[in-house]
Amino acid sequence: AQKVTQAQTEISVVEKEDVTLDCVYETRDTTYYLFWYKQPPSGELVFLIRRNSFDEQNEISGRYSWNFQKSTSSFNFTITASQVVDSAVYFCALMLLGANNLFFGTGTRLTVIP
Amino acid sequence: DTGVSQDPRHKITKRGQNVTFRCDPISEHNRLYWYRQTLGQGPEFLTYFQNEAQLEKSRLLSDRFSAERPKGSFSTLEIQRTEQGDSAMYLCASSNGQGYGYTFGSGTRLTVV
Repeated sequence: AQKVTQAQTEISVVEKEDVTLDCVYETRDTTYYLFWYKQPPSGELVFLIRRNSFDEQNEISGRYSWNFQKSTSSFNFTITASQVVDSAVYFCALMLLGANNLFFGTGTRLTVIP
Repeated sequence: DTGVSQDPRHKITKRGQNVTFRCDPISEHNRLYWYRQTLGQGPEFLTYFQNEAQLEKSRLLSDRFSAERPKGSFSTLEIQRTEQGDSAMYLCASSNGQGYGYTFGSGTRLTVV
């Protein structure tokens, strides 16, 4: 069975602080994709990143960076110099290769205080 | 293209009534998905279409739920004899292929009173 755990239910940081959102996943499959989505108060889920299970290279996109470690089954997300606009619920998700459904974690609500 | 559109944004209905939601995916996307999200939870997969064919359904999709995608364009999700437990956000998404990031709509929030 597949499972995604986001242990941090809510995080609050002061603007310009760095913050890391944790994601731990479980699967017996060796090939899969991992995703992060942002859900602002408006409700739509915004795609942030997709990683393949065979590509452990970390990725940086502006203030966002992702650390993928298969050894610990983790796919953590760091926001550098957080801004108020980063306030949202962030979801980590897993999709098996050949499957058509995403398994989502329960999300982490990030509040950035000005 | 303006992304994935869902209508209505909000729906309040009395228990026992039928409701229908509509999703218009990104036009060049052949895959369409429905998810349900309850308060404080992540979205849960309901069903998947490739073009007009419904290829996968979750156990969450009880007999009261039916989804269609005629002509492989827009999709509808109907819930018959609604129950209070059906209250949730219903999200539609589309994609260009397996494993690609989905584009989600803003969802339809259903409240059953």
